[in-house]
Amino acid sequence: DAMVIQNPRYQVTQFGKPVTLSCSQTLNHNVMYWYQQKSSQAPKLLFHYYDKDFNNEADTPDNFQSRRPNTSFCFLDIRSPGLGDAAMYLCATSRDHGGGSYEQYFGPGTRLTVT
Amino acid sequence: QQQVKQSPQSLIVQKGGISIINCAYENTAFDYFPWYQQFPGKGPALLIAIRPDVSEKKEGRFTISFNKSAKQFSLHIMDSQPGDSATYFCAAGGGADGLTFGKGTHLIIQP
Repeated sequence: DAMVIQNPRYQVTQFGKPVTLSCSQTLNHNVMYWYQQKSSQAPKLLFHYYDKDFNNEADTPDNFQSRRPNTSFCFLDIRSPGLGDAAMYLCATSRDHGGGSYEQYFGPGTRLTVT
Repeated sequence: QQQVKQSPQSLIVQKGGISIINCAYENTAFDYFPWYQQFPGKGPALLIAIRPDVSEKKEGRFTISFNKSAKQFSLHIMDSQPGDSATYFCAAGGGADGLTFGKGTHLIIQP
């Protein structure tokens, strides 16, 4: 089945220790997104790639970076995680389904714990 | 990101009843309005979505009503079932840009 896959599902890192989360997709969608979802809150967009073009949200901290080496893969790098970065990180993908409609499909998320 | 306001924050409905969740948006550039269902520990799942050129869309027990002039849209779940118990998020967006989500509604369907 075509899907969005995130690894690992659970990640524990130490305060200040760099961590990388990965996302892959078999949907062949050209747009990929990273969202941060803290407990009992709505997902918040961090950035997205339209093909190879990177689009950063204005309020995304510099501590968060992303790489997209090819269509299928996208990585979220947190350079120096703080306790406030503990959250569920969601990857999503989309493409133009016609008429400018971009339906977004989410992966299962990676739960990040910072100790 | 422009705000999307969602209400109620939590909702309890008896089995077989109608669940209604409301959202309002500010940015008139939004042209895509999806609803997502999220179970604990899982990613959001696309439930149903609407574009502003229609006032209502129905898929099975789920209906979106859209009022462009009021900048409001709502989700109706007919014949609500215990398996519908989840958190529901409305969202709004335009083109390939990311979505702006409402704060979510925790829905409980009582047997």
